[in-house]
Amino acid sequence: DAGVIQSPRHEVTEMGQEVTLRCKPISGHDYLFWYRQTMMRGLELLIYFNNNVPIDDSGMPEDRFSAKMPNASFSTLKIQPSEPRDSAVYFCASGGRSYEQYFGPGTRLTVT
Amino acid sequence: GIQVEQSPPDLILQEGANSTLRCNFSDSVNNLQWFHQNPWGQLINLFYIPSGTKQNGRLSATTVATERYSLLYISSSQTTDSGVYFCAVRETGFQKLVFGTGTRLLVSP
Repeated sequence: DAGVIQSPRHEVTEMGQEVTLRCKPISGHDYLFWYRQTMMRGLELLIYFNNNVPIDDSGMPEDRFSAKMPNASFSTLKIQPSEPRDSAVYFCASGGRSYEQYFGPGTRLTVT
Repeated sequence: GIQVEQSPPDLILQEGANSTLRCNFSDSVNNLQWFHQNPWGQLINLFYIPSGTKQNGRLSATTVATERYSLLYISSSQTTDSGVYFCAVRETGFQKLVFGTGTRLLVSP
């Protein structure tokens, strides 16, 4: 298996623009997680899905953030409008029934 | 929520030395993972170890769930071991992983 795939790997955008991050989980995994990593807050969970259904979005910072999982092999995290404080590395992870989570390579987002 | 503390926060080693990293957690867990974040930012799974002891090459880990701690042992360290080591736990009844603040390791030649 190719592991968790994320795109783009790097994104530079201007404040106010819409940003869409993409994730393809490991085939057969029924959990998908979005995390954000910053120097100040470390690694924190934003939202997770089980069988394509959002279960816990309590970590989503505000209404500017939204996430979808239209099918078992694809998820998006959207920020609209983006702000400089959204600059971070965004990780997608997936997991199966063993509860072990596997992380993608991350998307480094810079909002100027 | 559950608290996860790692020690030491920073560690500098000479190549070939051994080290022990510690992870303490404040409540019962049913999942504990150790990750290595390499200098390129990638999070690499080292161990899934909710209890007991596992070994993988020069690395081994032990979790004593009843005493709420886990240890990661690195033997004969190499420069490629440099990076940040994270412990992450899943609290009983919850799905999300809670990460510790990490141990930053630098192995010099």
